[in-house]
Amino acid sequence: QKEVEQDPGPLSVPEGAIVSLNCTYSNSAFQYFMWYRQYSRKGPELLMYTYSSGNKEDGRFTAQVDKSSKYISLFIRDSQPSDSATYLCAMSSSSGGSYIPTFGRGTSLIVHP
Amino acid sequence: DSGVTQTPKHLITATGQRVTLRCSPRSGDLSVYWYQQSLDQGLQFLIHYYNGEERAKGNILERFSAQQFPDLHSELNLSSLELGDSALYFCASSVSGGPQETQYFGPGTRLLVL
Repeated sequence: QKEVEQDPGPLSVPEGAIVSLNCTYSNSAFQYFMWYRQYSRKGPELLMYTYSSGNKEDGRFTAQVDKSSKYISLFIRDSQPSDSATYLCAMSSSSGGSYIPTFGRGTSLIVHP
Repeated sequence: DSGVTQTPKHLITATGQRVTLRCSPRSGDLSVYWYQQSLDQGLQFLIHYYNGEERAKGNILERFSAQQFPDLHSELNLSSLELGDSALYFCASSVSGGPQETQYFGPGTRLLVL
């Protein structure tokens, strides 16, 4: 079992839909949770960052962390075709002073007009 | 544009060869990370340098090595290349490597080993 599990998709939705992306993990030491967006042939870029459990909202994006269930989610409201990308969850804890993220495999999202 | 540059963008080489990938971090960033992204393994952490010193190692093969120079640019050396080393190699940088810092990724080097 991988430390971080993420459904690769693809997830296809119509423009304007609410999108829900999820990851589960097994390492209870993870404290920092991130969502990255990666467009085709580009490097990942950080979308959302959350420390420990709770919700965080930024515009159309909401990140949720449930440490008791070892489950994190990213919600995208009013999805746009420009949101079409691969979304990678990542999580980290301290390892000798370094905070190295462990990534999920990524979920491919397609938002069609 | 993240401010992280990587060269070359593409690299095609043969098995058994050696290549060097180069990364220049964002101005002011002291931490450099290397990652490998393949279809079957996803994004895997290789190694982390902070201000010239190795800080953490991930799933980096013994055939691979890296270093960070005094001007903070970094190089990833891949030797005795195998077909399975074909992947996207990303470099990322952050200010100091703290837990709440954003890692900024470069555009990647696409390596194809034939």
